[in-house]
Formats: sequence, structure tokens, C-alpha cells
Amino acid sequence: EVQLVESGGGLVKPGGSLRLSCAVSGLTFSNAWMTWVRQAPGRGLQWVGRIKKKSDGGTTDYAAPVEGRFSISRDDSENTLYLQMNSLKTEDTAVYYCATGGGGNGYWGQGTLVTVSS
Amino acid sequence: DIVMTQTPNSLSVSPGQPASISCKSSQSLLHTDGKTYLYWFLQRPGQSPQLLIYEVSSRFSGVPDKFSGSGSGTDFTLKISRVEAEDVGVYYCMQGYNLPPTFGQGTKVEIK
Repeated sequence: EVQLVESGGGLVKPGGSLRLSCAVSGLTFSNAWMTWVRQAPGRGLQWVGRIKKKSDGGTTDYAAPVEGRFSISRDDSENTLYLQMNSLKTEDTAVYYCATGGGGNGYWGQGTLVTVSS
Repeated sequence: DIVMTQTPNSLSVSPGQPASISCKSSQSLLHTDGKTYLYWFLQRPGQSPQLLIYEVSSRFSGVPDKFSGSGSGTDFTLKISRVEAEDVGVYYCMQGYNLPPTFGQGTKVEIK
């Protein structure tokens, strides 16, 4: 059974930082492109960014609103995906989901809530 | 960015009846590799989204055959042959043709 478990969410002040983790099991993590998608309270889905598998270059792509502030990385030895979020803004408040596939077109985790508020 | 527009915004369906959701993209999703990168997701209340359909019409692992997808170019449709209580939630289409992947605004399906 494929499982994705996010962690690391919480309350942070504007301008602060947070690192989210996504532990993956049940599939060959090193072969998977991975994605972060977020959902603001009561809103729809917004793609945040993705990281390719190392054999495809391991490169990253980001949505414009987070480019330069967020960074995606992976540890294939630990089957874990990360999202480092810096210079957080109130509009980054959302549930953050990790998912397999370059667009989230695969398995999804249960999400972790990030609240940016003073 | 490609704009994805779903209709209707909400749908109330009697149990056992069919339902249909439309999704239109602002440009063709047919890639030069011959694939069309259109996906459908269901987000049940209080749950994370789950992939139902990939590349227009292929059902994802474990998805029952009451769900079917069709369409081409810029116009796509998700059909549920017989709606049951477990099908309640918000349905989203998504394009993976180019970056950034973008989602429709969602269609809320409820039971009458």
C-alpha cells in the first residue's frame, strides 16, 4: 500500500520559516517525480512545485507566488520529500499536500496545515 | 497559465442517477507526444484529493468503472454512471500539459 505522510506544519509569524516533510512508503521513491500542492482554507487546489527523480536530473520547478522563497528537496535514502518555506506570508496559509507525479497525478498524502499569522 | 473552467459549480443528484461534469481548458492539452494531459480528482469532505482519471480517460488504480472520462483538445467530461453517497465531494480537473499545472475551480457534488 502506498502511503505519503506529511509533517512539520504549524503556526508561524509572517517572515518566518518552516520545513515540511513527506515520508513515502509502498513505492520506489527514487523513481518518482514528487509534487507539493496547497489548498487555502475553503479554496481550491494550487500547485506549489515539483522535483524530478535524480535520473531525470533531479531539477525543481516552482509556481510564481513561491519562486525564490520555497525550496523542494528529496532524500532518496530516507524516502522523504521536503519543502523549505522561507519569508512566509499570510497568503501562504494553507493545507500542504505532497503527491507523486510531476503534477500531483498520483498518490496524495493527508496534508499538513501551515498557518502564517502574527 | 492555462485556465481550466468547470461547469457546473455544483450538482445535486439523486442516488442511482448519472452525473456529468464539464471541464474546458484555455488551450489544447494535446501534447506533441500524442498524449493529452488532463486529469480528474475527487476530494471527499475532510479528505485529501484522490486521482480518479489520468490522460483523459484512464482510470487510476482502484477507481471503480462507474467513473469515466472523455474528451479531446480543450473540452473534457467526467461522468459518474450511478451516483452513490460515497461520491459526494468536490471534483477537480487539472492540466499537466505545461507548467504550472493548473486546476479547475471545482464542482461540488451532493446527494438529493
